[in-house]
Amino acid sequence: EAQVTQNPRYLITVTGKKLTVTCSQNMNHEYMSWYRQDPGLGLRQIYYSMNVEVTDKGDVPEGYKVSRKEKRNFPLILESPSPNQTSLYFCASSVGTGGKMYEQYFGPGTRLTVT
Amino acid sequence: EDQVTQSPEALRLQEGESSSLNCSYTVSGLRGLFWYRQDPGKGPEFLFTLYSAGEEKEKERLKATLTKKESFLHITAPKPEDSATYLCAVQAWGRETSGSRLTFGEGTQLTVNP
Repeated sequence: EAQVTQNPRYLITVTGKKLTVTCSQNMNHEYMSWYRQDPGLGLRQIYYSMNVEVTDKGDVPEGYKVSRKEKRNFPLILESPSPNQTSLYFCASSVGTGGKMYEQYFGPGTRLTVT
Repeated sequence: EDQVTQSPEALRLQEGESSSLNCSYTVSGLRGLFWYRQDPGKGPEFLFTLYSAGEEKEKERLKATLTKKESFLHITAPKPEDSATYLCAVQAWGRETSGSRLTFGEGTQLTVNP
């Protein structure tokens, strides 16, 4: 089954404790992206990647890191989480050629709470 | 800066009562406009992509249209299972890198009562 998986689905942590949210897709997609969703602000792009070793900032990259060492995986790293990073996070992937993106497949989401 | 505005924020319909959702956008050059459906607590689900003004796409009770300034999602004879939040997003030309940034609107929350 074609899918995007994220782990963990729920996470409660404390300020400053480094964490990683994993994202994996089994569709051989070139393009992957991370979003956060907050009430009243909608979905905002954090980072995206057009292919292995190619990543770039989205609209809200501060406090986040990503890496793309393999085509299927795109982990999101919070090195020193703060309460304002409490949010619902989504990973997505799609075919992407020549900078043009096609339909994105979203993961189930990770609800993160930083206390 | 690219902007996407969706209206209304919320819409309540009776089953069978057709209506339209609006997505107005301001971009330097539209590469693609996407419609997604999102159920509570789940990731968005792809519905349509539109690339040029005048383009239309249909799927079951949904029809998406595109002009140079806005897109409409028309819902014909909706059913309660169409209740969800509908999201619009744009991808623009002219980005400094690969042009793969997407800007989403805040969505329209649709409720269809039986």
